[in-house]
Amino acid sequence: QSALTQPASVSGSPGQSITISCTGTSSDVGSYNLVSWYQQHPGKAPKLMIYEGSKRPSGVSNRFSGSKSGNTASLTISGLQAEDEADYYCCSYAGSSAWVFGGGTKLTVL
Amino acid sequence: EVQLVQSGAEVKKPGESLKISCKGSGYSFTSYWIGWVRQMPGKGLEWMGIIYPGDSDTRYSPSFQGQVTISADKSISTAYLQWSSLKASDTAMYYCARTGGLYEEFDYWGQGTLVTVSS
Repeated sequence: QSALTQPASVSGSPGQSITISCTGTSSDVGSYNLVSWYQQHPGKAPKLMIYEGSKRPSGVSNRFSGSKSGNTASLTISGLQAEDEADYYCCSYAGSSAWVFGGGTKLTVL
Repeated sequence: EVQLVQSGAEVKKPGESLKISCKGSGYSFTSYWIGWVRQMPGKGLEWMGIIYPGDSDTRYSPSFQGQVTISADKSISTAYLQWSSLKASDTAMYYCARTGGLYEEFDYWGQGTLVTVSS
C-alpha cells in the first residue's frame, strides 16, 4: 500500500476557495467511498473534517466539502479564514482491513 | 465526553522495549475499535493498525506487521502499542484514535505520545 498523493502545499487569500486533491488507485480511493479528511494544526492531534467522501461531522463548518471522481478525492474549503491554515491529510480504505493516508498538504492563508 | 488519554513522552535507547498506552473514557470502550497512527518528525501520518477491545481482534498495516504489537485490556479501557526492540527510526509521535469499525473513519484522537530513541 503506497501513500496517497497530495500536493505538498496550497495557498489562498481570505475569502477565497481552495481545493486539495488526493490521488490514489483503483485499489483504494477508486474502489471505496471511504475517504476521510483530517486537519492538523502544528503541535496538535488531527481532527476529522470529512468522512465517507463528503459527509461532515457535527460541528465542522459547512465551508468544508468533499468529493470524489475516479481515483481522486478532493477537499474544498470555501471562504478561507486564517484559522484554516493547517496541514490536511486524506485517508482511504485500502482493502484487507487496512487504511492508507496521503502525504499531507500544507495550507497557507495569505 | 469521549476522551482518549495517552501516556507521557518516552526517551529510550536502541534495543530497549517499550509499551505506550491509550485510555478511553466517556463511551463503551468495548464497542469501538482503537487505531494507532505514526507521525515521524516533520512527516505525514501513517496508519499502523487497529484493535477491537471487545475480543482483541487486531489488524496491522503490512508496513508495521511484525514491527509492533497492538493489544488492549478491556477491564481498564486501555489500548497499548509496544515494541520489543526499539530502533532510532521508531522516533516519532504516536497517536491513538477511535473508530466505529473497520470501514469507518477515526472520529476521536488522543493527544499523542512522543517516543524518542537515541543512544
